[in-house]
Amino acid sequence: DAGITQSPRYKITETGRQVTLMCHQTWSHSYMFWYRQDLGHGLRLIYYSAAADITDKGEVPDGYVVSRSKTENFPLTLESATRSQTSVYFCASSDVQDPNYGYTFGSGTRLTVV
Amino acid sequence: AQTVTQSQPEMSVQEAETVTLSCTYDTSESNYYLFWYKQPPSRQMILVIRQEAYKQQNATENRFSVNFQKAAKSFSLKISDSQLGDTAMYFCAFTPIQGAQKLVFGQGTRLTINP
Repeated sequence: DAGITQSPRYKITETGRQVTLMCHQTWSHSYMFWYRQDLGHGLRLIYYSAAADITDKGEVPDGYVVSRSKTENFPLTLESATRSQTSVYFCASSDVQDPNYGYTFGSGTRLTVV
Repeated sequence: AQTVTQSQPEMSVQEAETVTLSCTYDTSESNYYLFWYKQPPSRQMILVIRQEAYKQQNATENRFSVNFQKAAKSFSLKISDSQLGDTAMYFCAFTPIQGAQKLVFGQGTRLTINP
């Protein structure tokens, strides 16, 4: 079924290590997003991308890096993981041309930094 | 900057009862979309209902309806005849129609439906 695929679903990493979370969409949506979900904060935007090679910071970008060389992929990298980055991460996409103005979400990655 | 506030961290009702989840937002935009998302224990984000700000009529989807008060910047979700499967985290979200399609989320309300 087409949609958004996130990998891995679960990840445990050590403080200071670099880790990359993958996101792949099959809709050819122009916009893609990375959110983190923490209790009491809801979902907060980390980075977003309006198209290939166009990215911009969201509300909580520090410690994260993104790239978008192809429309369908939007990886999120934690350059040097910290315990405060323990969270559930969601990738999402949307298309301004979609008359239903819908967002498609991945299933999330639960990241634990020890 | 836009903000979304859900003032009820947790709610609990009996099966078949009606429950209303509150949401307020702050924006200077005149045209925007509002959403309610459901997140069951599976973590999947499921769209419950969407409201376009320029439409006067409140959106409804089966047992789910909203009370959209644009002047008060309020967007509450009413669940009628609640079912055990409605147990989930519910998020209110906002996005302006113009510009980047960034969804801004509230903090969430954890809803438990008791048998």
